[in-house]
Amino acid sequence: ETGVTQTPRHLVMGMTNKKSLKCEQHLGHNAMYWYKQSAKKPLELMFVYNFKEQTENNSVPSRFSPECPNSSHLFLHLHTLQPEDSALYLCASSTGTGGNGQYFGPGTRLTVT
Amino acid sequence: RKEVEQDPGPFNVPEGATVAFNCTYSNSASQSFFWYRQDCRKEPKLLMSVYSSGNEDGRFTAQLNRASQYISLLIRDSKLSDSATYLCVVLYNQGGKLIFGQGTELSVKP
Repeated sequence: ETGVTQTPRHLVMGMTNKKSLKCEQHLGHNAMYWYKQSAKKPLELMFVYNFKEQTENNSVPSRFSPECPNSSHLFLHLHTLQPEDSALYLCASSTGTGGNGQYFGPGTRLTVT
Repeated sequence: RKEVEQDPGPFNVPEGATVAFNCTYSNSASQSFFWYRQDCRKEPKLLMSVYSSGNEDGRFTAQLNRASQYISLLIRDSKLSDSATYLCVVLYNQGGKLIFGQGTELSVKP
């Protein structure tokens, strides 16, 4: 399935690096999301964008910076991360209301050393 | 209290068994409900939406009881390929915010 794609699939970065995660959806949706999934924990919503406007920031530290240039693309810019930020970062998209569910990309597995 | 709470699992069942997952949610203003499945080291995939009238998709039946704030998923005639973690998910009306349960792991054995 290629409805929602994410790159890179794996990323190892040092605490002083700057990197970006990319997400693209081909489903004609207008809402996009970033989630974090740490081992043995439920998915945690990080950011929501609806029609390119950020509508939710779930108390995420400023070392994570989202960018949504259009309804099909979503980025997560990373800088000065901590080892506890190592996790699976998932992008999802949906219709504006989300009432039909959200569709996830394969995720980026991030390791911070 | 967790916003969405599921059976802790894991569930280990033989092929052909019927297995039921339970889930409760705390916010009575929740609008939509879903079951997702997540395979090891993969992304969650939408299994089915859950409606008050109940809905069925092949071997899978989902039920919602709004008064009790309770959701269930029944899998009949379980297959080896059903082995995964099943996530109960609730949508709040504002902003499309999905709240995920911690998941219940199912392992179907031959």
